[in-house]
Amino acid sequence: AQTVTQSQPEMSVQEAETVTLSCTYDTSESDYYLFWYKQPPSRQMILVIRQEAYKQQNATENRFSVNFQKAAKSFSLKISDSQLGDAAMYFCAYRSARRDDKIIFGKGTRLHILP
Amino acid sequence: DTAVSQTPKYLVTQMGNDKSIKCEQNLGHDTMYWYKQDSKKFLKIMFSYNNKELIINETVPNRFSPKSPDKAHLNLHINSLELGDSAVYFCASSPWIGEPYGYTFGSGTRLTVV
Repeated sequence: AQTVTQSQPEMSVQEAETVTLSCTYDTSESDYYLFWYKQPPSRQMILVIRQEAYKQQNATENRFSVNFQKAAKSFSLKISDSQLGDAAMYFCAYRSARRDDKIIFGKGTRLHILP
Repeated sequence: DTAVSQTPKYLVTQMGNDKSIKCEQNLGHDTMYWYKQDSKKFLKIMFSYNNKELIINETVPNRFSPKSPDKAHLNLHINSLELGDSAVYFCASSPWIGEPYGYTFGSGTRLTVV
């Protein structure tokens, strides 16, 4: 069974600095998708960024970028120029490319932004 | 305008009661899901439906029964509520089964069983 591990329950970063959230996953499949979701105090789940496993190029969305290392099964999220609004729980997630599969979430990393 | 809407947002009820949570999406998506987020924020899938057909049914007590009257609606009925059912329940949808772009989530229903 696939698993997603986030080893950092909490992290803090100074406003305007850069922070990296770690994620590793375990799968025997070669085709899959990886995601980072953000859950602010409002409780809403917001998709931050996604990566297809077959793409070697790391995904980027404005201040958010990933470091995808397929062989190491690692998928970290880098947030540049951290802003107060980035404070949230961040969930790493995995989904197999099989048609009827579901998204599996890690346990989350709570990110604090220090003013 | 809300893409995936859940009602109610908060639900407080006594042990042993039966309650329902409703979910509607206006995105024209074929596939809908129910996830449970426990007190430690862990999100776990419960069910998924594709065009009214049950696709995923995880190890969930049979007190939980999903109902999909049409592909825009997926409701969750819970019988004989227990203290351990207290959690946030999220509904989500995706355009079609197997699509790779992630899900659109509702804002969640916080269920508190007392």
